[in-house]
Amino acid sequence: GAVVSQHPSRVICKSGTSVKIECRSLDFQATTMFWYRQFPKQSLMLMATSNEGSKATYEQGVEKDKFLINHASLTLSTLTVTSAHPEDSSFYICSARTGVPTGANVLTFGAGSRLTVL
Amino acid sequence: AQKITQTQPGMFVQEKEAVTLDCTYDTSDPSYGLFWYKQPSSGEMIFLIYQGSYDQQNATEGRYSLNFQKARKSANLVISASQLGDSAMYFCAISPHNAGNMLTFGGGTRLMVKP
Repeated sequence: GAVVSQHPSRVICKSGTSVKIECRSLDFQATTMFWYRQFPKQSLMLMATSNEGSKATYEQGVEKDKFLINHASLTLSTLTVTSAHPEDSSFYICSARTGVPTGANVLTFGAGSRLTVL
Repeated sequence: AQKITQTQPGMFVQEKEAVTLDCTYDTSDPSYGLFWYKQPSSGEMIFLIYQGSYDQQNATEGRYSLNFQKARKSANLVISASQLGDSAMYFCAISPHNAGNMLTFGGGTRLMVKP
């Protein structure tokens, strides 16, 4: 089955630094990837939709200059948290689909990345 | 816009018994899909079951079945013969068929299976 690899699984950084999270589709080409954010004991909130070769579409309230998304190839999307602050500490999880977005086209999720900003 | 409501923040079930996790939704889209995902403590999202809005029959996948009542806009998940490994967070999600698989999640239900 389709596999999405997300790296790193855990990262701790100092306030003010930038952190890059990678999301790779290992055995399929992902035309679209989605980035979600999950605070402790809360649900997943969609941050942005990443389309290969074009600019990401951000959800309302998500700062595009702070959360940089790049989808340069059909197998890789990256999320960079720039100038991270403690309030950016969260669980970030990506998902990917391939081909035609039919109703039953199930998304494959990465294992998530837990970011802690000190 | 879509909205998913899961009214049970936490549920207990005895091992080997069945349990129903509630999910109601709201959407203005005539065609949509409903999903259930399991999230264990490790964090990954595991797909369990899918129901299309025009599917005539309720979806089933092994021990998972979906009680879909379109008129009531509910899509409850039924887990039969609960196992200790079923203890996890469970999320209901909706995706309009014209939204390119963009999922809107409910708040989740934490299921705890007692031995």
